Amino acid sequence: DGGITQSPKYLFRKEGQNVTLSCEQNLNHDAMYWYRQDPGQGLRLIYYSQIVNDFQKGDIAEGYSVSREKKESFPLTVTSAQKNPTAFYLCASSITKYSNQPQHFGDGTRLSIL
Amino acid sequence: SQQGEEDPQALSIQEGENATMNCSYKTSINNLQWYRQNSGRGLVHLILIRSNEREKHSGRLRVTLDTSKKSSSLLITASRAADTASYFCATDYGGSQGNLIFGKGTKLSVKP
Repeated sequence: DGGITQSPKYLFRKEGQNVTLSCEQNLNHDAMYWYRQDPGQGLRLIYYSQIVNDFQKGDIAEGYSVSREKKESFPLTVTSAQKNPTAFYLCASSITKYSNQPQHFGDGTRLSIL
Repeated sequence: SQQGEEDPQALSIQEGENATMNCSYKTSINNLQWYRQNSGRGLVHLILIRSNEREKHSGRLRVTLDTSKKSSSLLITASRAADTASYFCATDYGGSQGNLIFGKGTKLSVKP
């Protein structure tokens, strides 16, 4: 079955530590996205990638970094510069970057501070 | 930057009743999408409606779009307990037809 796989499901970060969240898709989609969701809130865009080896900052990119070396993979690193990382992180993909295409989501990674 | 905003924030109904959720947005759009999120899970796409469309149906779902009022509504008919979830609208900014901007969602609770 095609879809998006995020791992791990739960992640704990120590002070001053960088952590990496994995996102893999087998849908052959060009565009991939990372969102942050805080309790009772909507989704806020962290980074997006429209094609391999290219990515753009979203609305809240500070303290995060990404790479897109393969079409299937779009890992997100939460750096120690992100002072309030506790949130639910969602990865998504779509066929193209355009808004006339639905986005397909993984089941998220919940990140907490130790 | 928030484009879409859902109303009400929370809605509680009995099984079998209809549920209506509204979404208002600020600027012109090309497309509006509705998503469902079960607790602790990712979002699932429900319906996409284009700016030149007024109504779309999918099973028990009916979406309307009024571009003059900059609003959309999602109607779920004959609700079931399994419809309990948060529902989000997502829009683009009309000029770019690019990234989606999500609202804060309506939390629907359907009691058996």
